[in-house]
Amino acid sequence: SQQGEEDPQALSIQEGENATMNCSYKTSINNLQWYRQNSGRGLVHLILIRSNEREKHSGRLRVTLDTSKKSSSLLITASRAADTASYFCATAPRSNDYKLSFGAGTTVTVRA
Amino acid sequence: GAVVSQHPSWVICKSGTSVKIECRSLDFQATTMFWYRQFPKQSLMLMATSNEGSKATYEQGVEKDKFLINHASLTLSTLTVTSAHPEDSSFYICSAQDRGRGRTEAFFGQGTRLTVV
Repeated sequence: SQQGEEDPQALSIQEGENATMNCSYKTSINNLQWYRQNSGRGLVHLILIRSNEREKHSGRLRVTLDTSKKSSSLLITASRAADTASYFCATAPRSNDYKLSFGAGTTVTVRA
Repeated sequence: GAVVSQHPSWVICKSGTSVKIECRSLDFQATTMFWYRQFPKQSLMLMATSNEGSKATYEQGVEKDKFLINHASLTLSTLTVTSAHPEDSSFYICSAQDRGRGRTEAFFGQGTRLTVV
């Protein structure tokens, strides 16, 4: 079953703008992860945030986690055309840290 | 990072035939691998957990006789779609985690686009 729900489903922005997408989940987690998928390819891991962390940065990526609301957000700053992709959040239950469930995904299009 | 290789990247087969997809962890040992199916513009649906040296664990609604999984070594899992039908056409992706280093992030293969005609 899909653990995470994401919004928006699709996002179109101009190069240089920021892109924000959100993910909500249902059960208790040890960590939440974000992945990127280019069309027709496998997924690439972007960032992992642990349940005891509230915010994490990696390059132009900023992830927040609010365990009280069971939600997370991914912010991509100063977007580039190469950021065009689908982005998925993924969670695993505390009972099995390795079994990931993926959200519906947000498709981001960055216009040059 | 760890590398997972999936082969083939695409395959076209006739209805009624079987297709085997391979998933290899190239620079780490994976006692567990996961197989997903993805429909166009949708998320990944977990099909099964492949366990080295034992039977795979299938998710509810996934036919184990239809999707045969074999995990004969610590670096290779295979998914065989048996007696394929057009409705089996989909994008299949495998993943593995480098548990030996305690890492929970998943590394994915490139995916296999299966088209059954």
